Amino acid sequence: AQKITQTQPGMFVQEKEAVTLDCTYDTSDPSYGLFWYKQPSSGEMIFLIYQGSYDQQNATEGRYSLNFQKARKSANLVISASQLGDSAMYFCAMREGPSGGSNYKLTFGKGTLLTVNP
Amino acid sequence: KAGVTQTPRYLIKTRGQQVTLSCSPISGHRSVSWYQQTPGQGLQFLFEYFSETQRNKGNFPGRFSGRQFSNSRSEMNVSTLELGDSALYLCASSLLDDSYEQYFGPGTRLTVT
Repeated sequence: AQKITQTQPGMFVQEKEAVTLDCTYDTSDPSYGLFWYKQPSSGEMIFLIYQGSYDQQNATEGRYSLNFQKARKSANLVISASQLGDSAMYFCAMREGPSGGSNYKLTFGKGTLLTVNP
Repeated sequence: KAGVTQTPRYLIKTRGQQVTLSCSPISGHRSVSWYQQTPGQGLQFLFEYFSETQRNKGNFPGRFSGRQFSNSRSEMNVSTLELGDSALYLCASSLLDDSYEQYFGPGTRLTVT
């Protein structure tokens, strides 16, 4: 079974509108971390936002917020006020095990290609 | 502060050859991870090094190996290259054990012909 599922291969959004990118995960470890990365066409992975499994509040970083629903095992990324520069591949990833441990392995989803239209 | 650097950025090799890719982490970062990205398999974890020791390894054949030096720079080696090894190889570094964020380099695009 896939550990990270991103069901939207591609998404389109109008500039200045909000968009939600879906991510569901599967783990039996009570400690885990969820990440979102952006990958422009240049190839470099850019860290956007992190949510720990024990965090009580949803993570926010500027225009990015993570809608964390633990019971549903979902960690959707919300981008508010989309900009043309937001056009890129977006990856959801998970680290199983507590932060501060020795596990730095990230498991990635297949990604969602977001296109922002002017 | 300089980011993660990877050399070379592009590489073309033929089947059967071997290749060595290099990664210099952000200054002070001691953990270096390697990932392979292909259109078919997506992003897959190769291995992770911390203080010159391999701590985690992904599900790749023994042709894929790596090492880390005392200055935290890391190399990965692929021997007996196959067409399926064509991929973007990404390196990421992290600061300390209690850091959750991995900073990625621009990647090395390897083409095997």
